[in-house]
Amino acid sequence: AQRVTQPEKLLSVFKGAPVELKCNYSYSGSPELFWYVQYSRQRLQLLLRHISRESIKGFTADLNKGETSFHLKKPFAQEEDSAMYYCALSREAGGFKTIFGAGTRLFVKA
Amino acid sequence: ETGVTQSPTHLIKTRGQQVTLRCSSQSGHNTVSWYQQALGQGPQFIFQYYREEENGRGNFPPRFSGLQFPNYSSELNVNALELDDSALYLCASSGGLSGELFFGEGSRLTVL
Repeated sequence: AQRVTQPEKLLSVFKGAPVELKCNYSYSGSPELFWYVQYSRQRLQLLLRHISRESIKGFTADLNKGETSFHLKKPFAQEEDSAMYYCALSREAGGFKTIFGAGTRLFVKA
Repeated sequence: ETGVTQSPTHLIKTRGQQVTLRCSSQSGHNTVSWYQQALGQGPQFIFQYYREEENGRGNFPPRFSGLQFPNYSSELNVNALELDDSALYLCASSGGLSGELFFGEGSRLTVL
């Protein structure tokens, strides 16, 4: 069965420290992977997707098919990065039938 | 460009009742997905509608049903409400091949 696992419910780091939010998936096909973010009092929104291989707000994520992982990384965390982060997997091209992990709350301390 | 809007924002029902939640998709989007998000959990995929047809369903019983209209707006209907149906219900629209989901703010359902 398709599954997205985010092992950490809460991650707390100091400002300026590196941050890595873990995401593992199980899927037999070729999935599309995404990271979504929800800032306080805002709606859920896309942060980045593996296909575009872009860096957004200093965050990057590399798809590792061998380890079935899609960890989100940022070398220097900022206080404004504090938010809820969800890893998501789409089972078909174009974002169809996207499933989400349980989420990791990132708290960046001053 | 109008974003995804959902109504109502909050509602309270009792066990056994039925509820209808509504979603207007973002302009130009022909796909609507519905999610249930219980407290402390990630969004759980209920189903997806593409051009008025159901295009995939998650692990939810048949009492969860939906519709998509010609203007691509959508409804989620839940019959015979149970206490565990209490959750935030999110609607997301998408279009094209980018795969990006655009979310509404959700409808918070409380079942007493």
